[in-house]
Amino acid sequence: AQKVTQAQTEISVVEKEDVTLDCVYETRDTTYYLFWYKQPPSGELVFLIRRNSFDEQNEISGRYSWNFQKSTSSFNFTITASQVVDSAVYFCALSGTGGGNKLTFGTGTQLKVEL
Amino acid sequence: GAGVSQSPSNKVTEKGKDVELRCDPISGHTALYWYRQSLGQGLEFLIYFQGNSAPDKSGLPSDRFSAERTGGSVSTLTIQRTQQEDSAVYLCASSVMGQGYGYTFGSGTRLTVV
Repeated sequence: AQKVTQAQTEISVVEKEDVTLDCVYETRDTTYYLFWYKQPPSGELVFLIRRNSFDEQNEISGRYSWNFQKSTSSFNFTITASQVVDSAVYFCALSGTGGGNKLTFGTGTQLKVEL
Repeated sequence: GAGVSQSPSNKVTEKGKDVELRCDPISGHTALYWYRQSLGQGLEFLIYFQGNSAPDKSGLPSDRFSAERTGGSVSTLTIQRTQQEDSAVYLCASSVMGQGYGYTFGSGTRLTVV
């Protein structure tokens, strides 16, 4: 069985602070993919990033960066110099070999960025 | 269209009535997914269509739930004899077929059973 755990239910930060959203996953598959999605107040989920299990390189995209560590089964997401527009619910998700492209989602982390 | 389209955006129904939710995926996306998001909860997988293969129905919570996809495009999720616990946002997504492709989600249908 696959499982994604996002232990942080809600995080509040002040604008310009850095913030890290944690994601821990469980899978028996050797080939799998990890994802992050953003759900702003408007409700529509937006794809942010995909990472496969064979690529442990960290990735940076503007103010966003992702740290994938197989040794700890974690795929953490850091926002540098947070902005109010970053306020949203962020979901981590996993797809393994056996389920086609079916995603297992974590319960999400609500990020609130205040002025 | 350019994105995944879902209709209606909101639906209020009386307990015991049947409802149909529609999803129009991105043209060319052969995989289509239905998820459910209850208030304050994560996304719960319901059903997954992949090309011409038999759908993965393993997430459907009861036999009151069914879905079909006609012509490899539009999908309809049907809930029969709705219950109050069915109230949720029903999300549809589509993707290119194959493992590891990101989904494009629709805006969802907010279902309220009164």
